[in-house]
Amino acid sequence: NAGVTQTPKFRILKIGQSMTLQCTQDMNHNYMYWYRQDPGMGLKLIYYSVGAGITDKGEVPNGYNVSRSTTEDFPLRLELAAPSQTSVYFCASSSGGRGEKLFFGSGTQLSVL
Amino acid sequence: DQQVKQNSPSLSVQEGRISILNCDYTNSMFDYFLWYKKYPAEGPTFLISISSIKDKNEDGRFTVFLNKSAKHLSLHIVPSQPGDSAVYFCALGGTSYGKLTFGQGTILTVHP
Repeated sequence: NAGVTQTPKFRILKIGQSMTLQCTQDMNHNYMYWYRQDPGMGLKLIYYSVGAGITDKGEVPNGYNVSRSTTEDFPLRLELAAPSQTSVYFCASSSGGRGEKLFFGSGTQLSVL
Repeated sequence: DQQVKQNSPSLSVQEGRISILNCDYTNSMFDYFLWYKKYPAEGPTFLISISSIKDKNEDGRFTVFLNKSAKHLSLHIVPSQPGDSAVYFCALGGTSYGKLTFGQGTILTVHP
């Protein structure tokens, strides 16, 4: 029972580089989310998806892009990485919408230098 | 504009005693409330939740209280155990699509 799997666990990028954070879930959840957590702060929503082919912006979407071609996968793309994107990134999924708990992956620690 | 605040960055408690973690919010539109627990290098895991139609929900050693008029949520852990040492986040929802707004987190340390 893998749940939500994120790769890589750690990554160091140089300013201006690009990368994709991978997220896959095996619970057949329709809803998926990307959050970031900065030190001493709560998690902030970057993007979310309510099903394959449907995505929408969260609270802090600038500098990121997402796609959802399958129910299982929800990759997060960083274009032109900046130091402000140094953070821990969490992917999550949920079976429903309102009132349902989210299941989180173990996170990706990203440093942009 | 922080809609959800956990004003205590840290809390230290002796094993066997009660731990009380607090969370305040400003938006009346939130109508369901969750607590998550997070260990280092892991993702948050769901602990307990409550909907706005209730004022209390219990699950073993964990109880969540909701005071809607004061816009205040609390988590009680009794008795506290060293394994409860972690970061605790309150998370509030009130829209469709399951989006949650998180507090900043409180680091709980339970001393043996």
